[in-house]
Amino acid sequence: AQTVTQSQPEMSVQEAETVTLSCTYDTSESNYYLFWYKQPPSRQMILVIRQEAYKQQNATENRFSVNFQKAAKSFSLKISDSQLGDTAMYFCALNSYGNKLVFGAGTILRVKS
Amino acid sequence: NAGVTQTPKFRVLKTGQSMTLLCAQDMNHEYMYWYRQDPGMGLRLIHYSVGEGTTAKGEVPDGYNVSRLKKQNFLLGLESAAPSQTSVYFCASSNSGASLSSYEQYFGPGTRLTVT
Repeated sequence: AQTVTQSQPEMSVQEAETVTLSCTYDTSESNYYLFWYKQPPSRQMILVIRQEAYKQQNATENRFSVNFQKAAKSFSLKISDSQLGDTAMYFCALNSYGNKLVFGAGTILRVKS
Repeated sequence: NAGVTQTPKFRVLKTGQSMTLLCAQDMNHEYMYWYRQDPGMGLRLIHYSVGEGTTAKGEVPDGYNVSRLKKQNFLLGLESAAPSQTSVYFCASSNSGASLSSYEQYFGPGTRLTVT
């Protein structure tokens, strides 16, 4: 069975600072994909960043980057230069079989001015 | 190009009533999904479809039925609504195939359902 665990229910960060959201997962598959989705108060699910498991290089998208530790089954999201618009719920998700996503419980991130 | 749309956006039902949620996508995607989102539990897969005319159970299928009569539409039905089905429902779609882009799911805006 695939599982995704986000151990931080809520986090806060000052504007312009850096914050890291944690995610651990479990799967028996050798190849899989990991995603971070953002859900702002509008409720829309927005893909932030994705990582292929067989790629060693950590994915980066502008101010968002990941620290992918395959052996430890860890996939954390780092947000640099935090902005008020980053305030949202963030979900870590795993896709390892049959195009089905398994989501973590989410982390609420609040960016303070 | 509207992406994934859901109808309705909000609905209140009484226990025992039935309703159908409609999902439509205009991206010619093969795969479609229905999720429910509950506080502290993330999104959980209810049912999914890998093509027109096919459906399969996800993690939490009980109390729901689905149909995929047309490739672009995926319907979620509640035959006899219960308070435990109060939730936010999301539809999503994705491509088939082995490329990374095929694994990205595109989500609709969600439907907030309250069962009293």
